[in-house]
Amino acid sequence: DAGVIQSPRHEVTEMGQEVTLRCKPISGHNSLFWYRQTMMRGLELLIYFNNNVPIDDSGMPEDRFSAKMPNASFSTLKIQPSEPRDSAVYFCASSFRGGGRNIQYFGAGTRLSVL
Amino acid sequence: EDQVTQSPEALRLQEGESSSLNCSYTVSGLRGLFWYRQDPGKGPEFLFTLYSAGEEKEKERLKATLTKKESFLHITAPKPEDSATYLCAVITQGGSEKLVFGKGTKLTVNP
Repeated sequence: DAGVIQSPRHEVTEMGQEVTLRCKPISGHNSLFWYRQTMMRGLELLIYFNNNVPIDDSGMPEDRFSAKMPNASFSTLKIQPSEPRDSAVYFCASSFRGGGRNIQYFGAGTRLSVL
Repeated sequence: EDQVTQSPEALRLQEGESSSLNCSYTVSGLRGLFWYRQDPGKGPEFLFTLYSAGEEKEKERLKATLTKKESFLHITAPKPEDSATYLCAVITQGGSEKLVFGKGTKLTVNP
């Protein structure tokens, strides 16, 4: 399996622009997670889906952030409008919910820089 | 609020010098504790899951242990390729799949 695939790997944009991050989970996994990693705050969960349905979005910082999962093989995280404080590495992870193991497998991340 | 604290923040070892990393947690009820390894520019890589106090898991030079309040990641005779940031995370009782991560320990092993 190719693992969790994220695109783009790097994104540089200007303040106020819309940014869309993409994720393809591992085939057969039914849960998908979006995380943000910064030096100050570490790795924080933004939102997660189970069977394409958003379950917990309490980590989404504000209305500028939105996430969708239109099908089992694709998810997007959108920031509109972007701000310099959104600069971070964004990770997508997926897991199979069932059997009690709950192991999350991470993609390589998208490094976002907002100028 | 569930909290995970890792110590030390950074650790430098000489090749072959064994040591331990600590992960202490304060949660309402522990369902599982996870150790991940993260290399620069990459996503976290799963190492171990521990579910109950007294449980131990081993993989090559790494051994993870769990008590009711903390977990240790023991590194025996480390090699330079063990250099990475090691992250600890917990999942709590109930139906949520949310992982709460510590900030990690950055390990450097010098040859």
